[in-house]
Amino acid sequence: EAGVAQSPRYKIIEKRQSVAFWCNPISGHATLYWYQQILGQGPKLLIQFQNNGVVDDSQLPKDRFSAERLKGVDSTLKIQPAKLEDSAVYLCASSLDSGLNSPLHFGNGTRLTVT
Amino acid sequence: DQQVKQNSPSLSVQEGRISILNCDYTNSMFDYFLWYKKYPAEGPTFLISISSIKDKNEDGRFTVFLNKSAKHLSLHIVPSQPGDSAVYFCAASAGNYGQNFVFGPGTRLSVLP
Repeated sequence: EAGVAQSPRYKIIEKRQSVAFWCNPISGHATLYWYQQILGQGPKLLIQFQNNGVVDDSQLPKDRFSAERLKGVDSTLKIQPAKLEDSAVYLCASSLDSGLNSPLHFGNGTRLTVT
Repeated sequence: DQQVKQNSPSLSVQEGRISILNCDYTNSMFDYFLWYKKYPAEGPTFLISISSIKDKNEDGRFTVFLNKSAKHLSLHIVPSQPGDSAVYFCAASAGNYGQNFVFGPGTRLSVLP
C-alpha cells in the first residue's frame, strides 16, 4: 500500500511570504490530519478532517493558517503571511477512520524554514 | 502546559539489553495511549498502543506497561537492536475526543553495537 505523500520536502521562505503544502493520504482513509512539529517538541495537531469536513481545528492559528480538503481526498495547508516561529516540520497523517483503533499513518513531512 | 512528558531526552543502551522508555501524563481523562517511532527525515511510525482498561500490551519485542494511578507508562524493548535507534514519541488521547492525540517531546534511543 502506498503511504501518505507530501510535497514539497523542504521549503525556505522569508517572513511575510506565503507557502502551501500538499498531502495525499492513503487510499480509502477517511480521516486526515495536519500536525506541526517544532524542533525538540512532539507533533501538535493543527487540524483534523473527516472526509471533507473539519472535525477539529481548535489549535489552528486561523489568522494566518488555512487548510482544505475539498474532495475528501488530498489536502492543502497554507500559511499567509509566514512568521519566524512557523519554522517547523509539517506532518500530514491519515487513518482509516476516527476510531481509536485506527492508528495514524504519517507522511515524511515538509520542513519549513522561515528567514 | 505539557500534558504528556518524556523527561529523558535521550537514552543509550547496549545491543541485546533492555531499553525502557518512560512517559508521564497529567490529564486524568486520557484513556488511550500510543507509542510512535521516528527515524530521521521520515514521519513517525505507529509501534504499539494500550487502552486504559489494560495494564500491559505486548507485541513481539515491544511491551507497553500502563500505571493509571501513577499516570505513567513505559515502553520496554527486549532485546534492543541497532535498528531500534530512533526517536520514540508517547501520545495520549481522551476517548471523547477521538483521535486528538497529544504527543510528548520524544526520547532519542541509541542502541550501541
